[in-house]
Amino acid sequence: SQTIHQWPATLVQPVGSPLSLECTVEGTSNPNLYWYRQAAGRGLQLLFYSIGIDQISSEVPQNLSASRPQDRQFILSSKKLLLSDSGFYLCAWSPGQGVGDGYTFGSGTRLTVV
Amino acid sequence: AQKITQTQPGMFVQEKEAVTLDCTYDTSDPSYGLFWYKQPSSGEMIFLIYQGSYDQQNATEGRYSLNFQKARKSANLVISASQLGDSAMYFCAMREGLDSSYKLIFGSGTRLLVRP
Repeated sequence: SQTIHQWPATLVQPVGSPLSLECTVEGTSNPNLYWYRQAAGRGLQLLFYSIGIDQISSEVPQNLSASRPQDRQFILSSKKLLLSDSGFYLCAWSPGQGVGDGYTFGSGTRLTVV
Repeated sequence: AQKITQTQPGMFVQEKEAVTLDCTYDTSDPSYGLFWYKQPSSGEMIFLIYQGSYDQQNATEGRYSLNFQKARKSANLVISASQLGDSAMYFCAMREGLDSSYKLIFGSGTRLLVRP
């Protein structure tokens, strides 16, 4: 069966420090991968998506970047965090074959920038 | 324009009663899918129900049903016999068939509180 792992679960980082959040999927190949951010009490904002290795698309301009070094690995990074980067980050995957494909979400990373 | 609109930031319902959470969407794509997710305070996203644009029947999953009104572009979630454990954030989301990324676009959510 397919599983998705996301870590760390919580993170407190100072302003200006780097960030690396990792997401891996098991039990499937060539998944579509997504990074979302959720501000406190708000909806999910799509940050990046990837339909294949080295195929990353950004939805919103920001100081974050994403990479997909392997088929089932999706990494969210920042060189210098801002206070506004605080939030709940969710990784998700989908088979990418049709409108009815479900999304499976990771358990999320709660990031606090201080 | 907003693709997905949830106009109820917060809702209360008495335990054992039914509640309807509103969702309207905007798309010109004839093929699309509509989803509802539940997010408890733990943060996990739990899939509840799916409705395809070509589905003739309204989707149902246990106590959840989706009131799909295609002409009005609405996809309201109905929760019957509310339970205390239903207290959570609820998100409506849409995926468009012409979008090869198959990304889900989410509404802003509705916080549901079930009163004992």
